[in-house]
Amino acid sequence: QSALTQPASVSGSPGQSITISCTGTSSDVGSYNLVSWYQQHPGKAPKLMIYEVSKRPSGVSNRFSGSKSGNTASLTISGLQAEDEADYYCCSYAGSSTQFGGGTKLTVL
Amino acid sequence: EVQLVESGGGLVQPGGSLRLSCAASGFTFSSYEMNWVRQAPGKGLEWVSYISSSGSTIYYADSVKGRFTISRDNAKNSLYLQMNSLRAEDTAVYYCARDTTRSKFDYWGQGTLVTVSS
Repeated sequence: QSALTQPASVSGSPGQSITISCTGTSSDVGSYNLVSWYQQHPGKAPKLMIYEVSKRPSGVSNRFSGSKSGNTASLTISGLQAEDEADYYCCSYAGSSTQFGGGTKLTVL
Repeated sequence: EVQLVESGGGLVQPGGSLRLSCAASGFTFSSYEMNWVRQAPGKGLEWVSYISSSGSTIYYADSVKGRFTISRDNAKNSLYLQMNSLRAEDTAVYYCARDTTRSKFDYWGQGTLVTVSS
């Protein structure tokens, strides 16, 4: 059971787009279209932003989108806003376990 | 409104035990899979354990296997995590999370802090 690999930090200016990658293996990300992404603000519980690779829950802005290629999933946030500044975690089903990425801190400059 | 409320956290000595509870409301608890996810101070999220809607299927992270036991009482709309042989590295905020596809954690509780220290 190994954690998925995410960049420790990314940054962007308001209005720009950023992409966060999430690299797993053929046992998790590569085998299932069950990748999700969570946003977490300091001191708060995580919030589901994307599920099943690219689906958005009701109420989540369409500025958030997800994709996957091989063993790597990606979260793209377009039209960056100050409120997007947070930690982001990817997550993947892996058979008898579920794996989270190490998290990426997004800074809006 | 879906609500998940954890309780039972606190300070415990290494080697000790603690039982966490998660009270669910606002949805048909018996129809949903549930998980425990933890977050050590200043660290990332770590999946801990999964239980199917009926309780018949259970999984654990390697880091807690043999020490933690997940269970549920659908009549009481409650999820539990019995934690034994606690170690300093188990110190974390523990969240319960509703699950629909083994990675779609759509609702989370506010978390309960477990501190393992002498």
